[in-house]
Amino acid sequence: RKEVEQDPGPFNVPEGATVAFNCTYSNSASQSFFWYRQDCRKEPKLLMSVYSSGNEDGRFTAQLNRASQYISLLIRDSKLSDSATYLCVVRPTHQAGTALIFGKGTTLSVSS
Amino acid sequence: ETGVTQSPTHLIKTRGQQVTLRCSSQSGHNTVSWYQQALGQGPQFIFQYYREEENGRGNFPPRFSGLQFPNYSSELNVNALELDDSALYLCASSLAMGLVVEQFFGPGTRLTVL
Repeated sequence: RKEVEQDPGPFNVPEGATVAFNCTYSNSASQSFFWYRQDCRKEPKLLMSVYSSGNEDGRFTAQLNRASQYISLLIRDSKLSDSATYLCVVRPTHQAGTALIFGKGTTLSVSS
Repeated sequence: ETGVTQSPTHLIKTRGQQVTLRCSSQSGHNTVSWYQQALGQGPQFIFQYYREEENGRGNFPPRFSGLQFPNYSSELNVNALELDDSALYLCASSLAMGLVVEQFFGPGTRLTVL
């Protein structure tokens, strides 16, 4: 089983749609969770951290379920500019030297 | 912009050659991590340097090696290049303190091995 698994893409949605991405992780002791966004041929950029209580940043809502080892990202009112690849990322420990473990990414394409 | 720079931006090499990629970390950051991202995949951790010493390594063979310098900039060296080494190589800098350490990525070096 891969350490971080994401929904296979691509997701093709019209502007204004709501879209949800799911992700599961295998290491139950993982400590930190993130969603990164990567535009075509660019570097990944942190979109948001994910907390057990859930967190929201404008149109984006992230949820973490530690019992199910499941992370989600909800995007409401999709914009053309949301088109990108969304990477689910897990950090196994808080210790310095710990790598970020990336999922394969899910591609979102928002059309007008 | 993250303040992390990488050079060169693109590179073409042939099998068997050696390559050195460079990364300048964001000002004040003492940790540099290197990742390999093959086409259609997420980034895979190669290794991390903290205060000039290797501080963690992923599942990559010894022909992948690195250095970190006193100014915290870093190099990734790959010997005996193989076709499968073709990828985007990303470096990320961070400040190793606190519980949640954000890593800031540079724009990457795209390596093509022919």
